[in-house]
Amino acid sequence: GAVVSQHPSRVICKSGTSVKIECRSLDFQATTMFWYRQFPKQSLMLMATSNEGSKATYEQGVEKDKFLINHASLTLSTLTVTSAHPEDSSFYICSAPTTVANVLTFGAGSRLTVL
Amino acid sequence: SQQGEEDPQALSIQEGENATMNCSYKTSINNLQWYRQNSGRGLVHLILIRSNEREKHSGRLRVTLDTSKKSSSLLITASRAADTASYFCATDPYNTDKLIFGTGTRLQVFP
Repeated sequence: GAVVSQHPSRVICKSGTSVKIECRSLDFQATTMFWYRQFPKQSLMLMATSNEGSKATYEQGVEKDKFLINHASLTLSTLTVTSAHPEDSSFYICSAPTTVANVLTFGAGSRLTVL
Repeated sequence: SQQGEEDPQALSIQEGENATMNCSYKTSINNLQWYRQNSGRGLVHLILIRSNEREKHSGRLRVTLDTSKKSSSLLITASRAADTASYFCATDPYNTDKLIFGTGTRLQVFP
């Protein structure tokens, strides 16, 4: 079945630094990927839709310059949290649609802790 | 917010009992899906029910959909300790390619 690999699974960084999270589709091509953010014991909030070869589409209230998304190939999308601050600490999850109507395959998630 | 709501927020049961989770949503949809999330992990797709379907089964899972009430339920029968996880409903509103997730139900099954 479709597999999405997300790396790193955990990252701790100092305030002010940038962190890159990668999301790869291992056995299928993904022209679209979705990036979600999840706070403890809460639901997933869609941050942006990553589109291969074009600009990402951001949800209302998500800072484009803060959360840089690049979808350079059909199998790789990256999320870079720039100038990270403690309030950016969260669980970030990527996903890609499968061939079945809007069913998503998710990465394992990345837990970001900003000190 | 378009986010759906689920109830209960948390549910604790003994192994062998049935677990029922409910989901309400706000917009017209193409289909509704249920996902499972183990703690600190990504989500796994469980089952999809289309807007013209009323009930669907998959193993120990039974999903119902009432589009007139904009609600769905997920029933897990004969629960096991391994079913312990958070369960989310997700809808894809008409004319969008996005999935909107519900607030989730945290299920704890005690052995």
